[in-house]
Amino acid sequence: KAGVTQTPRYLIKTRGQQVTLSCSPISGHRSVSWYQQTPGQGLQFLFEYFSETQRNKGNFPGRFSGRQFSNSRSEMNVSTLELGDSALYLCASSWGLAADNEQFFGPGTRLTVL
Amino acid sequence: QQPVQSPQAVILREGEDAVINCSSSKALYSVHWYRQKHGEAPVFLMILLKGGEQKGHEKISASFNKKKQQSSLYLTASQLSYSGTYFCGTGDPRSNTGNQFYFGTGTSLTVIP
Repeated sequence: KAGVTQTPRYLIKTRGQQVTLSCSPISGHRSVSWYQQTPGQGLQFLFEYFSETQRNKGNFPGRFSGRQFSNSRSEMNVSTLELGDSALYLCASSWGLAADNEQFFGPGTRLTVL
Repeated sequence: QQPVQSPQAVILREGEDAVINCSSSKALYSVHWYRQKHGEAPVFLMILLKGGEQKGHEKISASFNKKKQQSSLYLTASQLSYSGTYFCGTGDPRSNTGNQFYFGTGTSLTVIP
């Protein structure tokens, strides 16, 4: 079956702009989690959505938000971009909650903020 | 609250064994292990649940010491394909206030011929 897909794969934005990233999970998976990966901070948890509800949230400012649709597809939005938001954004889907199940990662969206 | 992994980096020759440790400052509900090759997304290796269940897909073993809040990943007879960065991860879905999924600090493993 098809894996997790993320669009776009690459993005270049300038400070102050906003961006929306999209994630399509594996068919049948109800949980989608988002992570930020940077060389300095490693893999940082942003949030987890399960059946359209935000289940868990990481320690990121309110500029980072997300949502999940009834078909389990998820979007992540970052408003008022800062240079420090440059990172690889990964989404991962799992059949149930991430803590109990293996997560399947998408290829990521590489965001560069100039 | 990010789990700490040790060692930070290790270089092995093919056929050698390695152990990667993951320590948490809080009680572990479950421990996950993932491997990420350069330029690729993390790939699931194994999950160890508090009840003792293990789920994994590769010939890699792991232990989970609930008392010590530690987990160790055992790589035996390493192959070149084992090279990558290994992450442990932990989360607890039972928290009513919401809980993060924490990935560890990572261990870079390089297998050389």
